[in-house]
Amino acid sequence: DTGVSQDPRHKITKRGQNVTFRCDPISEHNRLYWYRQTLGQGPEFLTYFQNEAQLEKSRLLSDRFSAERPKGSFSTLEIQRTEQGDSAMYLCASSLEGGATGQETQYFGPGTRLLVL
Amino acid sequence: SQELEQSPQSLIVQEGKNLTINCTSSKTLYGLYWYKQKYGEGLIFLMMLQKGGEEKSHEKITAKLDEKKQQSSLHITASQPSHAGIYLCGADFGNEKLTFGTGTRLTIIP
Repeated sequence: DTGVSQDPRHKITKRGQNVTFRCDPISEHNRLYWYRQTLGQGPEFLTYFQNEAQLEKSRLLSDRFSAERPKGSFSTLEIQRTEQGDSAMYLCASSLEGGATGQETQYFGPGTRLLVL
Repeated sequence: SQELEQSPQSLIVQEGKNLTINCTSSKTLYGLYWYKQKYGEGLIFLMMLQKGGEEKSHEKITAKLDEKKQQSSLHITASQPSHAGIYLCGADFGNEKLTFGTGTRLTIIP
């Protein structure tokens, strides 16, 4: 079963360092989403791609955050100059847009838990 | 999100008992998704509702969407330890992304 995968699962870094996370979506899915979840809260939308085009970015995504999906397959999320407030679970989801009704369901990966010291 | 309210925040239920979790939107929903999350893990898709009055069931879990498409409930019958976790409702407001409630933490006690 090739679901959404994320790497790494856990990341501990020092404040000021850069980190990069990777997401591999379900293979036939053309949409890929990034969400951030802090303790006791639901996930919050960060950005999404349709194929390789980044179509929307949340105002939560400061200029220290950048996401790419260069070939319309896997995606990377980079955080530059990390701050303690960046500590959270970063979740990736993918979906198939333009398919049959119900196929637009977003399926989530296991997440990358980031701790900034 | 203030657009989506989920209740209760936490629930402790004796094994074998029924329970209901509610999700209320301030706006009409295009779709409503229910997910389950184990602590520290990703979200597992449970069910998606799109039509007013729609009801779906899977095993012992039933989800409903009201006619006005602003309120959904998730009902678990004869709860089991495997039902423990965090239940999240996610709203599709027609803007390509999901807006989530804060979640309901469900604990099942023997």
